[in-house]
Amino acid sequence: GNSVTQMEGPVTLSEEAFLTINCTYTATGYPSLFWYVQYPGEGLQLLLKATKADDKGSNKGFEATYRKETTSFHLEKGSVQVSDSAVYFCALSDRGNFNKFYFGSGTKLNVKP
Amino acid sequence: DTEVTQTPKHLVMGMTNKKSLKCEQHMGHRAMYWYKQKAKKPPELMFVYSYEKLSINESVPSRFSPECPNSSLLNLHLHALQPEDSALYLCASSQDPFSGGERETQYFGPGTRLLVL
Repeated sequence: GNSVTQMEGPVTLSEEAFLTINCTYTATGYPSLFWYVQYPGEGLQLLLKATKADDKGSNKGFEATYRKETTSFHLEKGSVQVSDSAVYFCALSDRGNFNKFYFGSGTKLNVKP
Repeated sequence: DTEVTQTPKHLVMGMTNKKSLKCEQHMGHRAMYWYKQKAKKPPELMFVYSYEKLSINESVPSRFSPECPNSSLLNLHLHALQPEDSALYLCASSQDPFSGGERETQYFGPGTRLLVL
């Protein structure tokens, strides 16, 4: 079956620190992988995506590489800002089932000034 | 533009009320989704519409009734809800329910925060 596992949060970092949020997946096929961000009281915003193995998604300084051999899609940022404080969700898309999404449990990031 | 709009932003209703949530997109997307999100949890899929037809119902109680009047609009009719139904209800859309790549990316609305008293 399909599932996504994310590292437990919350993650607390100081401004300008390096960020890694781990995400691993299991899938029956070759899914696309996504990172979404949710700020308090808002919906989910697409952060980045990768549609096939070895693809690297990037946006706003965040990066993630689709690693088929380790079934991983870890989110990284070299220098976080206070404004990056939010909840981050990793997800995969099941193309054979109306692109149904499977979400990880979410990781809350707190960035201190 | 990748905007999905949802109304109302907030809704308070009693257990005997009937209300509706509305979702709209003008991106020409042919798949639309309803999710329920409880605090500190990921979104849970409720329904998927593909080309205006209900394609997935994740065993949602009948007090939630979805409707897709046209390719741009998605409604969720609520009746006789329970306090445990209080949550953030999110709508999303994607370009094509049968294609991969960019077409499978889901774009989310801001949600309707529902409180059932």
